[in-house]
Amino acid sequence: AQTVTQSQPEMSVQEAETVTLSCTYDTSESDYYLFWYKQPPSRQMILVIRQEAYKQQNATENRFSVNFQKAAKSFSLKISDSQLGDAAMYFCAYRSAFRISNYQLIWGAGTKLIIKP
Amino acid sequence: NAGVTQTPKFQVLKTGQSMTLQCAQDMNHEYMSWYRQDPGMGLRLIHYSVGAGITDQGEVPNGYNVSRSTTEDFPLRLLSAAPSQTSVYFCASSLGAGDLLFGPGTRLTVL
Repeated sequence: AQTVTQSQPEMSVQEAETVTLSCTYDTSESDYYLFWYKQPPSRQMILVIRQEAYKQQNATENRFSVNFQKAAKSFSLKISDSQLGDAAMYFCAYRSAFRISNYQLIWGAGTKLIIKP
Repeated sequence: NAGVTQTPKFQVLKTGQSMTLQCAQDMNHEYMSWYRQDPGMGLRLIHYSVGAGITDQGEVPNGYNVSRSTTEDFPLRLLSAAPSQTSVYFCASSLGAGDLLFGPGTRLTVL
């Protein structure tokens, strides 16, 4: 069975600086998707970034980028120029690309990101 | 598009009561699912559906029922509420293996 581990329960960063959130996963599958979701105090789950396992290029969305190391099964999120609005819980999630898995998301426990003004 | 909508946003129940959490999407997504989120944990899958008339159990299905009579709606029923079901419930949908889009959540308290 697949597992997702986020080893940092909480991280803090000074506003305008860069922070990296860690995520590791375990799977025997070759084709899958990895996600970072953000959950602000409003509770809404917001998709931050998505990485397809077959793509070697790391995904980027504005100030958010990932470091995807498939062999090491590592998927970290880098937030550049941190802003107060980035304060939230961040969840790493895994999803198989095979329909037989019924596309269930496997979640990490989350990392609370604190932005210091 | 309204996206994924959930009602109610908040609910307080007494032990033994039943209720239905509503979920609807207007994006013609075939896949819909219910998750619960408890403090300090990631989301856990309760039930899911891959199309109208097709439902199946997830990781934590006990105490919950679902049905999918239309593509748009996927209600979650609590048969006899228990304090252990106090949680935040999220409905999510996707088009096949596409990105899951989440509703705003329902905070349920069972006394």
